[in-house]
Amino acid sequence: DQQVKQNSPSLSVQEGRISILNCDYTNSMFDYFLWYKKYPAEGPTFLISISSIKDKNEDGRFTVFLNKSAKHLSLHIVPSQPGDSAVYFCAARPNNAGNMLTFGGGTRLMVKP
Amino acid sequence: DAGVTQSPTHLIKTRGQQVTLRCSPKSGHDTVSWYQQALGQGPQFIFQYYEEEERQRGNFPDRFSGHQFPNYSSELNVNALLLGDSALYLCASSYSTAYNEQFFGPGTRLTVL
Repeated sequence: DQQVKQNSPSLSVQEGRISILNCDYTNSMFDYFLWYKKYPAEGPTFLISISSIKDKNEDGRFTVFLNKSAKHLSLHIVPSQPGDSAVYFCAARPNNAGNMLTFGGGTRLMVKP
Repeated sequence: DAGVTQSPTHLIKTRGQQVTLRCSPKSGHDTVSWYQQALGQGPQFIFQYYEEEERQRGNFPDRFSGHQFPNYSSELNVNALLLGDSALYLCASSYSTAYNEQFFGPGTRLTVL
């Protein structure tokens, strides 16, 4: 039972354009959501997060949107750069359960120069 | 400041054997979590150690066990290895079990033949 799903295994975007990565979840107990970026041979690195009490969080070129009613979140990268090419994981954390993370399957983003 | 370190980088074992993976947390961190990332999938939570005790556990059999030492470093042990245990094993550290950012190590690639 996949509680966090990233339905697009890969995404290709031209440099300078917007990248939109999507994530769906099923567990209503999730109240905090995170995006991680992973380069080959490295561990995932934290990118941006959002609490369930918000619907948007922005950090430079990265913005995460949360739609609680649809149980959907998305990561927008504007403008996309070739160095953004990596695998992006969506993760969720339930309330009152410490910091155990449930990850989606990942989306490989390729930004073409 | 060293981040999370893991050893070894790669490991090859045969079915039925036992393996021990090691993790040193980021300086100042006292909590270690272990994740299994199968090929093409997102990381899956195995368990978390804090104050030398297992605090949370994911859906993994008791062939998977761990330990945390007084210096906060940790070991992951897997007994009676199966082919399906082949994966990247990621260690993540954080400060306490509360809602704090987790920092991931580069992982140990385990191959079971």
